[in-house]
Amino acid sequence: ETGVTQSPTHLIKTRGQQVTLRCSSQSGHNTVSWYQQALGQGPQFIFQYYREEENGRGNFPPRFSGLQFPNYSSELNVNALELDDSALYLCASSLVAGSSYNEQFFGPGTRLTVL
Amino acid sequence: DQQVKQNSPSLSVQEGRISILNCDYTNSMFDYFLWYKKYPAEGPTFLISISSIKDKNEDGRFTVFLNKSAKHLSLHIVPSQPGDSAVYFCAAPNAGNMLTFGGGTRLMVKP
Repeated sequence: ETGVTQSPTHLIKTRGQQVTLRCSSQSGHNTVSWYQQALGQGPQFIFQYYREEENGRGNFPPRFSGLQFPNYSSELNVNALELDDSALYLCASSLVAGSSYNEQFFGPGTRLTVL
Repeated sequence: DQQVKQNSPSLSVQEGRISILNCDYTNSMFDYFLWYKKYPAEGPTFLISISSIKDKNEDGRFTVFLNKSAKHLSLHIVPSQPGDSAVYFCAAPNAGNMLTFGGGTRLMVKP
């Protein structure tokens, strides 16, 4: 059983550019959540995708957008990059989205640096 | 508005001793809590959880205690081992399985 994978591992961009991060969910999982972890802080929820639809969103501006594909893999897109977007971006997959908690499995993250 | 807080950014303990990591929350709607462990260059991994209907959950060397009236939970690791050195996050999910994390506590276990 393959775990959650993310690509790329590291990325350097400049202010104003756009970036796309990718996540492959664990086999059989249909829900993907994205989190941003700034240095020295805990992960913050960005949004969640369930069966290719956005299922919830945290306090992030619209320039953070995402997609989920039929194979349940996902992309996080960030437009007009700002210096404060420098962070570790974590993807987590789980089996279902619903009212009870379903364990989320995290990927290793993508380290984004904005110069 | 930090709904989940870990007020100690770091903790250092001697191998074999007890490690106690603390977490406070403000949202009384939270009814399930988790602890995650994170090593450098890896994603967080689930460690232990507790439902609000319990006040204690134990799994080997790890025990989580929940005090609902104080909105406080703690993770006890006994005995602590050097391999336990990592960053520990407490977290709580909302109804949609979306996690709110605390800021983390870096645990260093000295041999």
